[in-house]
This record gives sequence, structure tokens and C-alpha cells, in this order.
Amino acid sequence: KNEVEQSPQNLTAQEGEFITINCSYSVGISALHWLQQHPGGGIVSLFMLSSGKKKHGRLIATINIQEKHSSLHITASHPRDSAVYICAVRRGSQGNLIFGKGTKLSVKP
Amino acid sequence: NAGVTQTPKFRILKIGQSMTLQCTQDMNHNYMYWYRQDPGMGLKLIYYSVGAGITDKGEVPNGYNVSRSTTEDFPLRLELAAPSQTSVYFCASRYPTSGDTDTQYFGPGTRLTVL
Repeated sequence: KNEVEQSPQNLTAQEGEFITINCSYSVGISALHWLQQHPGGGIVSLFMLSSGKKKHGRLIATINIQEKHSSLHITASHPRDSAVYICAVRRGSQGNLIFGKGTKLSVKP
Repeated sequence: NAGVTQTPKFRILKIGQSMTLQCTQDMNHNYMYWYRQDPGMGLKLIYYSVGAGITDKGEVPNGYNVSRSTTEDFPLRLELAAPSQTSVYFCASRYPTSGDTDTQYFGPGTRLTVL
């Protein structure tokens, strides 16, 4: 079993829909990251969370440490949100990341 | 700042050939990483470095070597290319902090095909 599991693997939405991507992990962590990988391949960090909730524009990330679960929400989705969203957890003394397989989101106009 | 740069963007190698993937960052980050990304799989850590002169193996180091002679550069060497090394390679850097800014910055990636 992978240490970081994401669901769903693929997600198709209509423009304007509210989107939720889930991440569950099975190991102790010091932080959790949400990353976005553009269709061209570039990877950017969206959020780093160690507790609670963060919001940036239309993106909201939450984490429940006790349940070992995090969610990424996108409100009022737009075709430009189409990308792969990757969950990664940080653990160990060096803070190395363990990555989920990603969720491929496609938002149709 | 250019951030993290990688060269080349694309490369095709024959089995048994060698090559070096270059990675440079201009943010004075002490931590640097090499990952590979295979289709349908999460990124896997190949090697990492916590500072000049210090490197360590990640999850999938076999077939690769690294060096870190300066803070800026972290090249990845493939000595005898094999088809199993066909992948997209990402370099990343990080400056550990106690706050929300402790994140990794990724290069654009190198797509390598071994035939």
C-alpha cells in the first residue's frame, strides 16, 4: 500500500463546479504539501500545511492530523485549473517528501 | 531570479551511453533534490543534498550518481543508460524554515528516453 493515496485519480468537471481532491497518508508527518503540475510539466507549490486550513484565491486546503487526511478544494472552477494536483507529505529528519500519484483534473467550459 | 534551471529539456540516449543532467539554482538554497517521474506514478526521490559537499541516497538511487561542489549546482550523472531510466527528471531546491515558506521549488524537468 502506498504511504500517500489520492482520490480520485481522474476528475472531469464543468466550469463553475466546486471540486474536492482528497489525500490520505499512513505515516507520521511534519507537514503536507499540495502541488500543481501544469500540462506543460512544470510543478509549483500551492500550499504547505501542518494544521488547520489555508486559503489562496479560489483554492482551499484543509488537513486533519488525527485522521491523516487532507483535502484540496477549488471553488468556481475554470478551465485554466486543468492540471495534475499532487499531494506530498514531509517526514524524517531531513524533511524529504513522499508523493501521491496525483489527481488529473479537467475542467470543461 | 531564474529560480531552478535544468538542461537539457529533452534527450534521447542509446543503451549504455552516459550523460549528465544539469541543475542550477540561484536562490542560495542549501537543500537540493533529484526526482524521477514515471507515467502514472508519484515522484520518486533519487538523491538529495543538504549542502555543498554533502549528498545522500533517496528511494531509487541505483544507476545514478551526484555531486555537489557548489551551493548552486547539483548535477545528476547516468553512467550506463538503461531503458528503465526512461523518465522525466525534476530537480528541486529548498531553504528549510520554521514557517509557511518552507517549500520546494522545482525546475522545468528533463525528458529522457533510453532506446
